[in-house]
Amino acid sequence: DQQVKQNSPSLSVQEGRISILNCDYTNSMFDYFLWYKKYPAEGPTFLISISSIKDKNEDGRFTVFLNKSAKHLSLHIVPSQPGDSAVYFCAAFRYGGSQGNLIFGKGTKLSVKP
Amino acid sequence: KAGVTQTPRYLIKTRGQQVTLSCSPISGHRSVSWYQQTPGQGLQFLFEYFSETQRNKGNFPGRFSGRQFSNSRSEMNVSTLELGDSALYLCASSLGGLAGGREQYFGPGTRLTVT
Repeated sequence: DQQVKQNSPSLSVQEGRISILNCDYTNSMFDYFLWYKKYPAEGPTFLISISSIKDKNEDGRFTVFLNKSAKHLSLHIVPSQPGDSAVYFCAAFRYGGSQGNLIFGKGTKLSVKP
Repeated sequence: KAGVTQTPRYLIKTRGQQVTLSCSPISGHRSVSWYQQTPGQGLQFLFEYFSETQRNKGNFPGRFSGRQFSNSRSEMNVSTLELGDSALYLCASSLGGLAGGREQYFGPGTRLTVT
């Protein structure tokens, strides 16, 4: 059972436009959510996170929106740049003492065209 | 500041053997988390160690274990290797750990092939 889903395996956007990456989750008990970026042959890079008690967090060109009623979060990149081309993973973390768990989506490959 | 280092970078083992992977976090970071990445399952969280104690744990069998030393370096051990254990194993370090919801810094990974 996939608790964190990224339903779009790929997304293509023109340079300078907005990129919107989406993520859905099923467990309302998650405590916060994270986005990572991954280039080929490199480890993931943390981008931005959001607590479950917030609905928006912004960091430069990156903004994450959380809609708890819809169990949906999205990452907005404005403006998109060719260097943003990578695979983006969303992840959800649930506290649980020694049983806390971090669950990842399968990723969305973003291509930003010059 | 040196980044997260993982050794070895590549490893080939036979079914039934065991393997130990090593991760050295960024200096000053007390948390080390381990992940498995495969084409089929994607990125999966194994466990996190913070100040030598396992703090969080994903849904992996007991064949996967780890430990952390007083200098924050961590090792992950997989016993009785199976073909399905072939994967890229990543570790990540952070100051406050997963519970802080803040930045983690990933290493380049260890590519394990089980034959």
